[in-house]
Amino acid sequence: GDQVEQSPSALSLHEGTGSALRCNFTTTMRAVQWFRKNSRGSLINLFYLASGTKENGRLKSAFDSKERYSTLHIRDAQLEDSGTYFCAADKGYKLTFGTGTSLLVDP
Amino acid sequence: NTKITQSPRYLILGRANKSLECEQHLGHNAMYWYKQSAEKPPELMFLYNLKQLIRNETVPSRFIPECPDSSKLLLHISAVDPEDSAVYFCASSLDISNSDYTFGSGTRLLVI
Repeated sequence: GDQVEQSPSALSLHEGTGSALRCNFTTTMRAVQWFRKNSRGSLINLFYLASGTKENGRLKSAFDSKERYSTLHIRDAQLEDSGTYFCAADKGYKLTFGTGTSLLVDP
Repeated sequence: NTKITQSPRYLILGRANKSLECEQHLGHNAMYWYKQSAEKPPELMFLYNLKQLIRNETVPSRFIPECPDSSKLLLHISAVDPEDSAVYFCASSLDISNSDYTFGSGTRLLVI
């Protein structure tokens, strides 16, 4: 079936630094969403992209359907950014989730 | 997230019957149940569009969905199995061709 490969699986950042998460898709997807699962277990919608890039505060995401990948950049990481981040790709009627990136931001 | 609410938040069951509830206040036509087992990403269980069941992703028959109106979604569970322990997320989107999803906060089911 369609695969969503998400990396890294775990990431540790010091406060104030940044990094990027990436998802590769085995087939062409029509859109991608990025979520953060917070400490209460809720899935928080970060971005929805059908193409191009979006930016919201310290987060920026890009989606290239032709090259089959999406990225999520975090800059100036804060303690409250800790959590598990999921990309999810849409090819039709459902989202196929990546395996998640567990982010820990420490002081 | 008050746009899409789920209840209960936590559910501990023996071999009992119970229902999970979801209600969205977004005017969306499509509603979904996703299951997230430990150490795995969420996976689609059911999809409704305009109150019609569109997809059943080969879910065991002890899970019975119900969509009494376009803003509400129920998941009835009978004779639960330990493998059913998971977080069950409700989600909605404008319709099945619009994939900008909003997820509820989930119901954590523990089968003992």
